[in-house]
Formats: sequence, C-alpha cells, structure tokens
Amino acid sequence: KAGVTQTPRYLIKTRGQQVTLSCSPISGHRSVSWYQQTPGQGLQFLFEYFSETQRNKGNFPGRFSGRQFSNSRSEMNVSTLELGDSALYLCASSPREGEEKLFFGSGTQLSVL
Amino acid sequence: GENVEQHPSTLSVQEGDSAVIKCTYSDSASNYFPWYKQELGKGPQLIIDIRSNVGEKKDQRIAVTLNKTAKHFSLHITETQPEDSAVYFCAASSGQAGTALIFGKGTTLSVSS
Repeated sequence: KAGVTQTPRYLIKTRGQQVTLSCSPISGHRSVSWYQQTPGQGLQFLFEYFSETQRNKGNFPGRFSGRQFSNSRSEMNVSTLELGDSALYLCASSPREGEEKLFFGSGTQLSVL
Repeated sequence: GENVEQHPSTLSVQEGDSAVIKCTYSDSASNYFPWYKQELGKGPQLIIDIRSNVGEKKDQRIAVTLNKTAKHFSLHITETQPEDSAVYFCAASSGQAGTALIFGKGTTLSVSS
C-alpha cells in the first residue's frame, strides 16, 4: 500500500507570496492532519480534517488554511508568506476520525526568501 | 499550556549498548503516547506507541514504559545497531478532540560501530 504522498518536495518562495501544498493520504485513510516542523519549535500541529471538515486547529495565524476534498486528499495554503514560515510541512493520515495513530509523509520543504 | 519535555537532546552509544530516552508531559488528559523515528530527508515513522491503560509495551528490541502518576514515559532500545541512528520524537495526545499530538523536541541518537 502506498504511503502518504506530498507534493511538491521542495518549494522556494519570496515574502508576500502565497503557496499551496498538496497531500494524498494512504488509500482508505479518511483523516488528514498537517504539522509544521522547524529546528527551533519542533513539530507543531496545524490542523486536522475529516470528511471535508476541519475538526481541529492549532495555534497558527489565519494566514494558514487548509481544505479536504471528497477523495480525502488535502491541501494547505499559506498566504502573505513571512521568512518565519520557512519549514518542513508534514502531512499525516489516519484511518478514521479521532484515531491518533498517524502516518506521515516525507513533507514539503518550504523556503521563504 | 500543553507541553512535552524530552531528554537528552543528543545521545551517543556504542553498537550493542542500550539507549534510553525520557519524556515528561503536562496534560493530565493525555492518554496516547507514540514514539516516532525520523531519518534524514524523511517524515517521522511511528515505531511504537502506548495508551494510558498500559504500563509497558515491547516490540522486539524496542520497549516503552509509562508512569501515568508521574507523567513520565520512556523509550528503551536494546542491542543498538548503526541503523538505529536517527532523531527520535516522543509525543502525547492533546486534551483537545481529534488527533492533535504534542511533540517533544527530539533526541538525536548516534550509534557507532
């Protein structure tokens, strides 16, 4: 069974731009979560989606948003990029709502210049 | 707020030795405690997990112990091998609904042969 797929693998943007990252969960998994990983703050929860609805949100500004499609694929968007948004963005899937056992993708490395 | 402290931040052992990583959590509502291994260029991989109704769990060379009263949990790796070298993260489920995990800052384990 294929794992969680994230595209693109690397991304370079400049301040003020916006970016969209994509995630395809493991086949059959219906819940998708997003995490931001930085050397300073570590792994931090962004949001969780199930059945196209945001179920939970972490402590990030409104510039960070996401959505989930009917096929469980998910996208996250960051608008008005700041230098501090440079990070590895990780998507994780789990088979059902409320299942804490997460399976992570390899992430999208975003660099903001 | 919710917090997970992880120690040590770096750990160097000789091949065949044991390695122990310790974590402390703050949220009394946490009831799920996974451990992840992250290799360079990859996303975190779940290696073992434990729930609050269990005190210890073992899977081959890896074991996890939980002291719910003290809010401590630990990862034990026996007979370490060079391929165990990676960054290890502990995590605890958040008191929020859904799958949000609070991660420790990670331990870089180096196993030399």
